[in-house]
Amino acid sequence: AQTIHQWPVAEIKAVGSPLSLGCTIKGKSSPNLYWYWQATGGTLQQLFYSITVGQVESVVQLNLSASRPKDDQFILSTEKLLLSHSGFYLCALQGENTLYFGAGTRLSVL
Amino acid sequence: QQKVQQSPESLSVPEGGMASLNCTSSDRNFQYFWWYRQHSGEGPKALMSIFSDGDKKEGRFTAHLNKASLHVSLHIRDSQPSDSALYFCAVSENSNNRIFFGDGTQLVVKP
Repeated sequence: AQTIHQWPVAEIKAVGSPLSLGCTIKGKSSPNLYWYWQATGGTLQQLFYSITVGQVESVVQLNLSASRPKDDQFILSTEKLLLSHSGFYLCALQGENTLYFGAGTRLSVL
Repeated sequence: QQKVQQSPESLSVPEGGMASLNCTSSDRNFQYFWWYRQHSGEGPKALMSIFSDGDKKEGRFTAHLNKASLHVSLHIRDSQPSDSALYFCAVSENSNNRIFFGDGTQLVVKP
């Protein structure tokens, strides 16, 4: 069975500081991967998706970027955090007829 | 443009009661539906998918799809406090294409 490990579990960062969030997949080769952002109790906003190494498509512009350096790794980053980046970041994997989500990273920007 | 609308925004039911959630797709190309459940502080988990007209039952959960009206509902019988969560409806053009999520229904089951 596939597993999704997200790191870190939570981050508290200052406005203007850099950020890097990660997601590692086990148990599925060449997965389609997604990054989602969720405001507290809010809807799931898809940010990026990737179908293969080195290829990432942006869905919505939020001053964030994403990279797929390895088949099993998906990274979300920015050089300068904004207050509006606070929220819950979720990595997801396309499975058979469904999406599987990681446990998420809670980001607080102060 | 929002592909899927959910109602109600929030719902409170007593323990043992029936909870009913609704979802409508705004695009006739999007007829594949899922229900996801998210407990506070966790990632969403898929509850069930429904791609054909009619009912689909899994334990206490029953989904009903009407493709003509692009409407799907989720009914939870004998609701438990552990069912308290944010429920998302999701739609897609087919079972493996990009999935669009609704805004969610917050369900509270009171003991």
